[in-house]
Amino acid sequence: AQSVTQLGSHVSVSEGALVLLRCNYSSSVPPYLFWYVQYPNQGLQLLLKYTSAATLVKGINGFEAEFKKSETSFHLTKPSAHMSDAAEYFCAVSGGSSGGSNYKLTFGKGTLLTVNP
Amino acid sequence: NAGVTQTPKFQVLKTGQSMTLQCAQDMNHNSMYWYRQDPGMGLRLIYYSASEGTTDKGEVPNGYNVSRLNKREFSLRLESAAPSQTSVYFCASSEARGSPLHFGNGTRLTVT
Repeated sequence: AQSVTQLGSHVSVSEGALVLLRCNYSSSVPPYLFWYVQYPNQGLQLLLKYTSAATLVKGINGFEAEFKKSETSFHLTKPSAHMSDAAEYFCAVSGGSSGGSNYKLTFGKGTLLTVNP
Repeated sequence: NAGVTQTPKFQVLKTGQSMTLQCAQDMNHNSMYWYRQDPGMGLRLIYYSASEGTTDKGEVPNGYNVSRLNKREFSLRLESAAPSQTSVYFCASSEARGSPLHFGNGTRLTVT
């Protein structure tokens, strides 16, 4: 079974500061890993995806995430926060092997990012 | 480019009433999903359809049924609504295993 743990349900940073949102996963097979962002009253949008091509993945809006197999982590970072980054962020994992169950995406509980002026 | 369209956007039901949430995608995706989102719980998978003609239970299927009507449409039915089903429901689709999910904008359901 796969699972995702996001450390910190709420992270607050100042505008211009580093953003670090933590995600650890468990999966019995090499996983597909994703970060999604949700703005108020909207659906989720894909930020970036890891598929084993490279351990450092660049996404939209200046975000990037690094896959560390030894730590089973996929933390999301952005060097300089902007007010428009305020949203809820979700880490998600799906299995990499064949089988119907590996179509499922398992989400973490989310981290709400607040950006202070 | 519509993507994933969910109807209705809002719904209020009384306990015991039934309703169907509709979802359609125009991206020719094979797989479709229904999630519910509750505060502090993230998104939990209710049912999914890996391909047209197949449906499978997710993490929280009790109280729900689904129909994959065709490749485009995947509906979620509540036969007898309960207050515990008050939630925001999201439909999503993906091209294949491991592909990113594309989400609709959600249906906010309140059961009184």
